[in-house]
Amino acid sequence: AAGVIQSPRHLIKEKRETATLKCYPIPRHDTVYWYQQGPGQDPQFLISFYEKMQSDKGSIPDRFSAQQFSDYHSELNMSSLELGDSALYFCASSLMGENTEAFFGQGTRLTVV
Amino acid sequence: EDQVTQSPEALRLQEGESSSLNCSYTVSGLRGLFWYRQDPGKGPEFLFTLYSAGEEKEKERLKATLTKKESFLHITAPKPEDSATYLCAVRSSGNTPLVFGKGTRLSVIA
Repeated sequence: AAGVIQSPRHLIKEKRETATLKCYPIPRHDTVYWYQQGPGQDPQFLISFYEKMQSDKGSIPDRFSAQQFSDYHSELNMSSLELGDSALYFCASSLMGENTEAFFGQGTRLTVV
Repeated sequence: EDQVTQSPEALRLQEGESSSLNCSYTVSGLRGLFWYRQDPGKGPEFLFTLYSAGEEKEKERLKATLTKKESFLHITAPKPEDSATYLCAVRSSGNTPLVFGKGTRLSVIA
């Protein structure tokens, strides 16, 4: 079965650079969530989209932005990167409605040096 | 505010030594309690969803149960390949984001 695809899997950037992470949800899933997970931490919710509109906003820094496109894939844009942005970034997708599971991708490991 | 507390933080078991992981939650209206397994550097892998008190689900050596205040993940006769971090999460309504606990790091020693 198709899963959530994230790219790239690994990314190394310097401070103050920009990064773009991509997420391709499971086919027919209409909702995408972005999470950030620091070393030894639980996943922290950043932002989510339903039908290309932002649906919920969590602890996403103002330096970050995201959008969902007409084909339902999503991109997380990160600017003015800081050392503290180094983390695993996960995307999850689900189908709108009660009683639906969220499935996660394998993540993008971002290292800011 | 929805809250999830998992215990213990870490658990070390001998192969074949059964045990349980706990997930206590506070949520305005539970619309699902989720268990995930996460291996280092990998994405959380979906295990179970529970929706109402009294519900139970099983998968291989794992069994998840739910009460009105907590969920347990029972591991029967664990094997070293069961070593991972087990995350519990709740959803309070519709398609709102999952709120995670800090996880339990399980190590199963042969």
